[in-house]
Amino acid sequence: NAGVTQTPKFQVLKTGQSMTLQCAQDMNHEYMSWYRQDPGMGLRLIHYSVGAGITDQGEVPNGYNVSRSTTEDFPLRLLSAAPSQTSVYFCASTQSANRGLYGYTFGSGTRLTVV
Amino acid sequence: AQSVTQLGSHVSVSEGALVLLRCNYSSSVPPYLFWYVQYPNQGLQLLLKYTTGATLVKGINGFEAEFKKSETSFHLTKPSAHMSDAAEYFCAVSENPPGFGNEKLTFGTGTRLTIIP
Repeated sequence: NAGVTQTPKFQVLKTGQSMTLQCAQDMNHEYMSWYRQDPGMGLRLIHYSVGAGITDQGEVPNGYNVSRSTTEDFPLRLLSAAPSQTSVYFCASTQSANRGLYGYTFGSGTRLTVV
Repeated sequence: AQSVTQLGSHVSVSEGALVLLRCNYSSSVPPYLFWYVQYPNQGLQLLLKYTTGATLVKGINGFEAEFKKSETSFHLTKPSAHMSDAAEYFCAVSENPPGFGNEKLTFGTGTRLTIIP
């Protein structure tokens, strides 16, 4: 089925560990982004990409890295996990042209707990 | 900078009653406005959107929203609530017009809708 696939769905990390959250889409969308969702704070943009080889920071980029080597994949790396990074992470994508017209397609999320 | 304010983090309505979820935005340019719905343990789904043209927008599941520029509002309504409407609803704004290459979606903090049987 076409859409945005995120793995894993759940993850528990110890403080200081690193990991990569995977995001893949098969809709040939050029724009991809990562959000974190925290209670009472809505969704906040971490990083985004407007195409392969191009990434930029969002509202809350500290502690996270991204890369975009292909159109399909946009992994999010936590370099040294901290309890403050406990959150639900969503990947979203959309077509690049007139992207405001189409809205975003979201993955089902990764629930991360850092202990 | 663009921003979104959703009044009421929790709203409860009886089944069959009117649903009204409030959203006000701030934007320095004509906005694109969206409502997304999130069911438990799922990602967000697009409910409806306003870009240009008719200010009353109809979405899925009987929801609609009206863009009121003078009030900078985009409230979501449904005439008769159903139990399946229980979810969290997010209003969002995108400021840049198409073609600029980096439209960002700014979300409100969400409103959890509970339906009372």
